[in-house]
Parts: sequence; structure tokens; C-alpha cells
Amino acid sequence: KQEVTQIPAALSVPEGENLVLNCSFTDSAIYNLQWFRQDPGKGLTSLLLIQSSQREQTSGRLNASLDKSSGRSTLYIAASQPGDSATYLCAVGDDYKLSFGAGTTVTVRA
Amino acid sequence: EPEVTQTPSHQVTQMGQEVILRCVPISNHLYFYWYRQILGQKVEFLVSFYNNEISEKSEIFDDQFSVERPDGSNFTLKIRSTKLEDSAMYFCASSKERQYEQYFGPGTRLTVT
Repeated sequence: KQEVTQIPAALSVPEGENLVLNCSFTDSAIYNLQWFRQDPGKGLTSLLLIQSSQREQTSGRLNASLDKSSGRSTLYIAASQPGDSATYLCAVGDDYKLSFGAGTTVTVRA
Repeated sequence: EPEVTQTPSHQVTQMGQEVILRCVPISNHLYFYWYRQILGQKVEFLVSFYNNEISEKSEIFDDQFSVERPDGSNFTLKIRSTKLEDSAMYFCASSKERQYEQYFGPGTRLTVT
């Protein structure tokens, strides 16, 4: 069974600092990895999808890397802003489903 | 931009009652999913659905649960006899193809009293 772990569980940074969020998974036989943002009491907003054959994916200030063999992904958010405050979820995709980590809750202080 | 919609946003029901949660996936998507998130816990997979059949289901998805695509647009999750532990946020998702990006709806908060 796939186990997904996100470290740290919470992170507080001053505005402008770069954020580094880590995700690890136990079974490297994955098809893709997806990063989501979740605001309190809300749904999941997809940020980035990395296919298993890719090493990296970028969207604006966001960059995600994937090392499938070591079971790791990292989400980098450059020049953080207070609006980036949210919980970030990592989800690993196999054939028909996503397996989620517990998330990293980020607070960006103005 | 197309999005997944879910109704109702919040449903309160008594233990033992049947509930139906409704979802309208993105129109050209072929794969549909239900997930749930108990307060303070991880998002958990329930079931995936393609071509009018269940593709995969988790151990949570027992005989009390069923899914249906009653027409060309709706995708429903039915819980036959709700229990207190069914209280959670239920998310519907869809994807264009298998292993493509999954898009999530805003969720239905189910409260069982």
C-alpha cells in the first residue's frame, strides 16, 4: 500500500522567503504526482502535475521536482506572499487513484 | 474555465438515513472519482468510475456505498444507511483520461447526527 509523507507538517516564513515543501512515498511504481493547494474548509486546487517520466514541472513561481527512484518530490515556491498561506497536499497517482499525504500548512507573515 | 460542481454544499442527516451526493464532472472528462476527508485527516480515495463501471474501490467503499452515472452529466454517490463515522467532506473529481490531472469539486460536507 502506498504511503505518502509530507515534512514539515507546518511552516511559518516571512514574506519574500522561498518555500521548500517535501513529499516522500514508499512505492516508486507511480504514474504521476500532483500537488494541490487547500484553503480552510475548501476544496482542492491543482497546482502542478508531474508525470513519472518527468523530473521537473514549473508554473509561475512554483517549481516541482520528482525523483521517482528515491520516492521524493519537492515543491518550491519562490518569493512567498501572504496569499500563499494554505495547506499544500502531495498526491501520488497509480492506475486509478491518488494517494494523499497529510499536507504541509504554510503561513506567510506579512 | 470548466470546473467540477457538487451539490449540496452541506448536508445534515440522521444516522440510518440514506443520502445522495451529486457531482457534475467536467464535460469532456471520462474518469470520475470520489474521495473523502474526515476533519483533520488525510484525503482518502473511495472509488473510481469509467465507462459505467467501477474501476477501483477502497476498503472504505463497502456495501453501504454505491455510485451511479444516471445521465450524461451527473455522477452520484449514495450512502444507504449513514453512520456517525461517515461524517466528512466528500470530494468528487474527474480527469480527461486515466493518469491525467484530476480536477476536484468544492466538496459536500456531510454531517451525520
